[in-house]
Amino acid sequence: GNSVTQMEGPVTLSEEAFLTINCTYTATGYPSLFWYVQYPGEGLQLLLKATKADDKGSNKGFEATYRKETTSFHLEKGSVQVSDSAVYFCALSIRYGGSQGNLIFGKGTKLSVKP
Amino acid sequence: NAGVTQTPKFRVLKTGQSMTLLCAQDMNHEYMYWYRQDPGMGLRLIHYSVGEGTTAKGEVPDGYNVSRLKKQNFLLGLESAAPSQTSVYFCASSLLGQPNQPQHFGDGTRLSIL
Repeated sequence: GNSVTQMEGPVTLSEEAFLTINCTYTATGYPSLFWYVQYPGEGLQLLLKATKADDKGSNKGFEATYRKETTSFHLEKGSVQVSDSAVYFCALSIRYGGSQGNLIFGKGTKLSVKP
Repeated sequence: NAGVTQTPKFRVLKTGQSMTLLCAQDMNHEYMYWYRQDPGMGLRLIHYSVGEGTTAKGEVPDGYNVSRLKKQNFLLGLESAAPSQTSVYFCASSLLGQPNQPQHFGDGTRLSIL
């Protein structure tokens, strides 16, 4: 079946450190891939997306590349800020058969950035 | 610029009570979704709707019912609440159910069942 596995947290970094959050997926077909971010007390917001192999999604200094050969979509940022502290979710969406392109989420990775 | 609005934001129920969570979107989206978020579990799809008057089951539909009488509203009902339904509930919408389109989320409803 379709599934998403992302690294378990929590991840604690100092300000200006480099961030990587690993995400791998299993899919029967060609999914679209997403990173969503959830700030404390809020709903999820789309951070970035990639819809086909080798696409790079980027936003707010974050980026992730759709790697079909390794079935991965790792999130990276060169220099994190305290304001990046949040929970990050990797997700995939695929349409096949009767599926309506529903999102399948990883379990989330909590990031804490210390000043 | 409301987007997706969920009411209420918090609620405490006793086992066996019933309640309805309301989701409203002002983006004219066709698709709407209800998820629950539990610690260490990510988000799991409860029910979804592909348009006014239609509903379908997601991954964890048992114990919940939904209705989409108007395009902009998607209601989630608990007929007889159980402690296992203590969770944070998120509503989302998307223009169409295409895999490359993102979903827009509300701020959530924190529900506790005693």
